[in-house]
Amino acid sequence: GAGVSQSPSNKVTEKGKDVELRCDPISGHTALYWYRQSLGQGLEFLIYFQGNSAPDKSGLPSDRFSAERTGGSVSTLTIQRTQQEDSAVYLCASSLIAGGIYNEQFFGPGTRLTVL
Amino acid sequence: GESVGLHLPTLSVQEGDNSIINCAYSNSASDYFIWYKQESGKGPQFIIDIRSNMDKRQGQRVTVLLNKTVKHLSLQIAATQPGDSAVYFCAENIQGGSYIPTFGRGTSLIVHP
Repeated sequence: GAGVSQSPSNKVTEKGKDVELRCDPISGHTALYWYRQSLGQGLEFLIYFQGNSAPDKSGLPSDRFSAERTGGSVSTLTIQRTQQEDSAVYLCASSLIAGGIYNEQFFGPGTRLTVL
Repeated sequence: GESVGLHLPTLSVQEGDNSIINCAYSNSASDYFIWYKQESGKGPQFIIDIRSNMDKRQGQRVTVLLNKTVKHLSLQIAATQPGDSAVYFCAENIQGGSYIPTFGRGTSLIVHP
């Protein structure tokens, strides 16, 4: 079946512009995560959606970052007034959490964001 | 173990050797652990997981060992191949907790033909 998809795969923007990154999770997965990964670094948690619950935004680095998940499926991560330090790969992952049991995350290929 | 700094820990091995990648986790309450492999330009891919009621689990060419006493996790890769070259991440989580796993910094595995 289809995995997690993300678009665009690459995005180059100018400092100060807004960008939107899209994630299509695996159908039926209740949980969706956004991460940021700088070159040669680990995964930095940004935000987590689970079902109809309020998202956990504890990882968002500033109020320029926001995300929404419509209909429990597709998610969009928005970065307003981009800065050069926002340049990174943005990864989306989904997982099935049912009956209180957590299972592995499936990651998309990521969106490489470059802010000039 | 993990190191502070800009560069990932690196393990270099020869093709055919066995590789052992280590991970020290932080939370003694963690009860679910996963290893991921990330190849260049791709997202992390699930390799193998283990729950805290086990201390060893085997997959195809991979074995994960869990030592809860010292909060240590290792990934063993048998007969390492050039295609195994990647960054390997461990992740820990707590069932019934926040469902936000904590990822280690990663180890870069380089396999020389």
